[in-house]
Amino acid sequence: SQQGEEDPQALSIQEGENATMNCSYKTSINNLQWYRQNSGRGLVHLILIRSNEREKHSGRLRVTLDTSKKSSSLLITASRAADTASYFCATVETGANNLFFGTGTRLTVIP
Amino acid sequence: NAGVTQTPKFQVLKTGQSMTLQCAQDMNHNSMYWYRQDPGMGLRLIYYSASEGTTDKGEVPNGYNVSRLNKREFSLRLESAAPSQTSVYFCASSDPRGGNLKETQYFGPGTRLLVL
Repeated sequence: SQQGEEDPQALSIQEGENATMNCSYKTSINNLQWYRQNSGRGLVHLILIRSNEREKHSGRLRVTLDTSKKSSSLLITASRAADTASYFCATVETGANNLFFGTGTRLTVIP
Repeated sequence: NAGVTQTPKFQVLKTGQSMTLQCAQDMNHNSMYWYRQDPGMGLRLIYYSASEGTTDKGEVPNGYNVSRLNKREFSLRLESAAPSQTSVYFCASSDPRGGNLKETQYFGPGTRLLVL
């Protein structure tokens, strides 16, 4: 399995601060995705970055990908209490269609 | 559009009982998936269906069966439930024809299953 691993497992910050989460994976990928899960809910897709991309932005989200280090980071700028959730990275292996999920980072934004 | 719906939301079973988890999507997606989520382990793929009429095993298929009833519906069956199958089950769908969004998966709200 090439399940990724997120770091840290849990992160607590004050509203307005930036939050950075990291993801490492094991094999070559086609793309890497980030999902958010609010407590007791399903996952919601946030952003996808392809293996030939190094950085991508979407609103307050910035994702970077370093395929040489097999790692990605998700930055949430100017965090809000509503950003409190678990964040998962998921990878699509080269030549495959299925997602392999990491173990998640639990983010708490304190108002 | 309801997106992906799952029933039931919560179920308690005794060891050895059987049940079927239902999933439906109204987005005309070709591909559908069943995952389980356990604490500290992220989501693991149980079975998937790349298109109507096909199903394939994922990472943790033992103890489960699936049926792709039609394009909309993909069910997961536990024939003889075990305590190790206590988990939260998520159904998802995606559309491989969907341009830049073809690898994005859309998730249902989940079914919480407790096996005693």
